[in-house]
Amino acid sequence: GQNIDQPTEMTATEGAIVQINCTYQTSGFNGLFWYQQHAGEAPTFLSYNVLDGLEEKGRFSSFLSRSKGYSYLLLKELQMKDSASYLCALPPYSGAGSYQLTFGKGTKLSVIP
Amino acid sequence: DTGVSQDPRHKITKRGQNVTFRCDPISEHNRLYWYRQTLGQGPEFLTYFQNEAQLEKSRLLSDRFSAERPKGSFSTLEIQRTEQGDSAMYLCASSFGAGGSQETQYFGPGTRLLVL
Repeated sequence: GQNIDQPTEMTATEGAIVQINCTYQTSGFNGLFWYQQHAGEAPTFLSYNVLDGLEEKGRFSSFLSRSKGYSYLLLKELQMKDSASYLCALPPYSGAGSYQLTFGKGTKLSVIP
Repeated sequence: DTGVSQDPRHKITKRGQNVTFRCDPISEHNRLYWYRQTLGQGPEFLTYFQNEAQLEKSRLLSDRFSAERPKGSFSTLEIQRTEQGDSAMYLCASSFGAGGSQETQYFGPGTRLLVL
C-alpha cells in the first residue's frame, strides 16, 4: 500500500521562502509528484522527482530522498498568488497493475503581506 | 490544445436524482481518470480508462456509479439515486502513456456536485 503525510496548513510572508514537507511509505517507488491547487480549481502539475536530489524550476524547487521516504517543495520569493494547497502524490509502482495517483491530504499555504 | 474540460462546472440536485458529468480529455491522451475530492482532502481515485476500456475501478465506486468512454475520447460519469454523501468535486484527468511508463496526469477544472 501507499501512505502520504503532509502538514495541514502553513503560513508564510510575501517575499519569503517556505518549505513544504511530504513523507511517504510505499511498497515500491516510481517517483513522486507535486501539484498546486487553488481553491475551487483543478490541481496543476508542478514537478515529478524520481531520482534523489534537488530539481529547480524557477521559483519552485522539489527535493527527494528515497532512502528517507521524504520530499519537500521549496517556494522562493513568495507571492500572494502562491496561496493554494500543495498536494504530494505517488504513482503506483511498476508491476502494481494500476495507474492511479495516491494523493496526500494537501498542505494549505497562506501567504500574508 | 485547450486542456481537459469538464461539464457542468457546478451541479445542484436533490437526493435520489440521477446526474451525469462529462469529461473531454486532451485530444492525444489515451488514458483518462476520474477522481473525487472532498473539502480538506486530496483527490481519491475512482476509475481509469485506457482508450475505451475501463481497466481499473476503486472500491469507492459503488454500484450507483457508472463510467463510460465509448469511443476512447470523451467520458461520462453517472451517479444514480444520489445521496448527500456524494457531494464533492469530481475531477477528470488525462495522460498519454505507453506500456508501463509513468506519465503526468493533467486535470480538468472539476464538477462540483451538491446533493440537497
